Amino acid sequence: AQRVTQPEKLLSVFKGAPVELKCNYSYSGSPELFWYVQYSRQRLQLLLRHISRESIKGFTADLNKGETSFHLKKPFAQEEDSAMYYCALRGGNYGGSQGNLIFGKGTKLSVKP
Amino acid sequence: KAGVTQTPRYLIKTRGQQVTLSCSPISGHRSVSWYQQTPGQGLQFLFEYFSETQRNKGNFPGRFSGRQFSNSRSEMNVSTLELGDSALYLCASSPLPWETQYFGPGTRLLVL
Repeated sequence: AQRVTQPEKLLSVFKGAPVELKCNYSYSGSPELFWYVQYSRQRLQLLLRHISRESIKGFTADLNKGETSFHLKKPFAQEEDSAMYYCALRGGNYGGSQGNLIFGKGTKLSVKP
Repeated sequence: KAGVTQTPRYLIKTRGQQVTLSCSPISGHRSVSWYQQTPGQGLQFLFEYFSETQRNKGNFPGRFSGRQFSNSRSEMNVSTLELGDSALYLCASSPLPWETQYFGPGTRLLVL
């Protein structure tokens, strides 16, 4: 079964501390992994996707197929990073994939001053 | 480009009624997906439409239905509303089904 697990409901860190939001997935094929973020009173927006290998707002995430993980990391947290973070999976290959995303339950990141 | 728009933004209905929610995708996007977000279950996939065809459907009862029009706008309908249908309904659009999805602000439905 396809599943995304985010083990932490809430993660609280101080400004300037490193952050790691955990995401583990279950999928038998080659998934595409994403991180979405939802700031207070804003819509859900894409933070990054594993195939682009970009660093957005200082966040990075590496797909580890052996551990089936896609953890989100940032070396120095900022107060404006406080938000709800969702890890998501999409299965299949381009052109033949199912477009729908399978989301984890989300982790609320709180960065304290 | 304007983002994904959803109407109405808020709705209050009573049990047994039906409701129709609307989604206008980003211009040029031909794929629309719908998700239900609740505190208990999180974000769950409802349907995916592409070129007016339902391409994929989530694990929801038949009371939940949808359609897509030739201009890529989409509607979803929930009949015989139940209290448990209270949720935020999100629409997302993408140029093609396997490309990045962009989300709308959602329609918050409250069933009394």
